[in-house]
Amino acid sequence: QVQLVQSGPEVKKPGASVKVSCKTSGYSFKNYGITWVRQAPGQGLEWMGWVSAYNGYTNFAQKILGRVTMTTDTSTSTAYMELRSLRSDDTAVYFCARDLDSTPLYGDYFGGASDYWGQGTLVTVSS
Amino acid sequence: DIQMTQSPSTLSASVGDRVTITCRATESVGNWLAWYQQKPGKAPKLLIYEASSLHSGVSPKFSGSGSGTEFTLTISGLQPDDFATYYCQQYKSYSRFTFGPGTKVDIK
Repeated sequence: QVQLVQSGPEVKKPGASVKVSCKTSGYSFKNYGITWVRQAPGQGLEWMGWVSAYNGYTNFAQKILGRVTMTTDTSTSTAYMELRSLRSDDTAVYFCARDLDSTPLYGDYFGGASDYWGQGTLVTVSS
Repeated sequence: DIQMTQSPSTLSASVGDRVTITCRATESVGNWLAWYQQKPGKAPKLLIYEASSLHSGVSPKFSGSGSGTEFTLTISGLQPDDFATYYCQQYKSYSRFTFGPGTKVDIK
């Protein structure tokens, strides 16, 4: 069965960086992109961006552009999200999620709806 | 970026009710619209994709409609397990994807 298992909670100081991992299993990793979504305490869902496990293409939210990197490691079927220059308003639960549709072999594709989700990783930014 | 709004923000309903949530986009997203259900402390669950397609394994009590800039999610015969927060998300190609602010469905 498809599973996405994320790394554990993190506590970081303002200005630091955090890297969250999302280890997948149960499907062909290269065939599906990964979306990252975060949710601040008591708030709604915020789409952060998407990375293709097929070719490494990315699509990021304007708000975090320049502070975020999303990568994949096909040898371990793991996706990573690194967020730099952390601020207190980056405190949130971070989710990874797999694309519903497999990545087309031809043509542009930058993600879609997400069907399988990780359990979430709490990142706390506090001095 | 495309902005999404949802109404109402909170909806109080009773078991057995039929409820409708509306989602609007600031520009056309075609049919590239998904609906998710989220319960406290849990990851979101995909209900509907491409505006009206029911995700595998999801109860047909959930239905979606609309296209362009206005969409609806209807839940028929509310059950205790359906009390949750519902989010729409647009995923139009060549755009940055965005979620709506959410609609909390609670017990009247």
